[in-house]
Amino acid sequence: AQKVTQAQTEISVVEKEDVTLDCVYETRDTTYYLFWYKQPPSGELVFLIRRNSFDEQNEISGRYSWNFQKSTSSFNFTITASQVVDSAVYFCALRTNQAGTALIFGKGTTLSVSS
Amino acid sequence: EPEVTQTPSHQVTQMGQEVILRCVPISNHLYFYWYRQILGQKVEFLVSFYNNEISEKSEIFDDQFSVERPDGSNFTLKIRSTKLEDSAMYFCASSEFHGSTDTQYFGPGTRLTVL
Repeated sequence: AQKVTQAQTEISVVEKEDVTLDCVYETRDTTYYLFWYKQPPSGELVFLIRRNSFDEQNEISGRYSWNFQKSTSSFNFTITASQVVDSAVYFCALRTNQAGTALIFGKGTTLSVSS
Repeated sequence: EPEVTQTPSHQVTQMGQEVILRCVPISNHLYFYWYRQILGQKVEFLVSFYNNEISEKSEIFDDQFSVERPDGSNFTLKIRSTKLEDSAMYFCASSEFHGSTDTQYFGPGTRLTVL
């Protein structure tokens, strides 16, 4: 079975703090794809990053960085020097060949950044 | 930048009524999807659509639901006889391909309220 667990339901930080959002996934497929989406208060789902199972290279994009570790089945997301505009719900998602075309989402982590 | 659009942004209907939610996927995309998000919960896959037919559907996507691509641009989700529990945010998504380059881009969502 495929599953995504985001154990942190809510995180509150003060601006300029670094914050890491955890994502643990389960799959028996050897080929799979991991995603992070952001859902700001306006409600839309914004694609942030995609990572393929055969590419364990970590990625940095501005203040965002992602740490993919197959050994622990984790795909964690770090925001450096958080800003109020980072306040949103962040979803980790998994797609596998077994699950077909469906994205399997975690329950999301609500990040609140205060000034 | 191309984006997925959805109309209406908010739909209020009476229980038992039919609703049609509309989506315009990104123009060169070939795969289309519907997801729903009940308030405060995770995003759930409903159906995927390719080459004018359903590719996959979840258990949620029962006989009350149908999808259609009535012309070259629109992709619709119809709920025949709405129930209170159909109240949710419905997201349309599209992807260029299926497989290693299948990032799904989401529209802004339609909030459906069934009274």
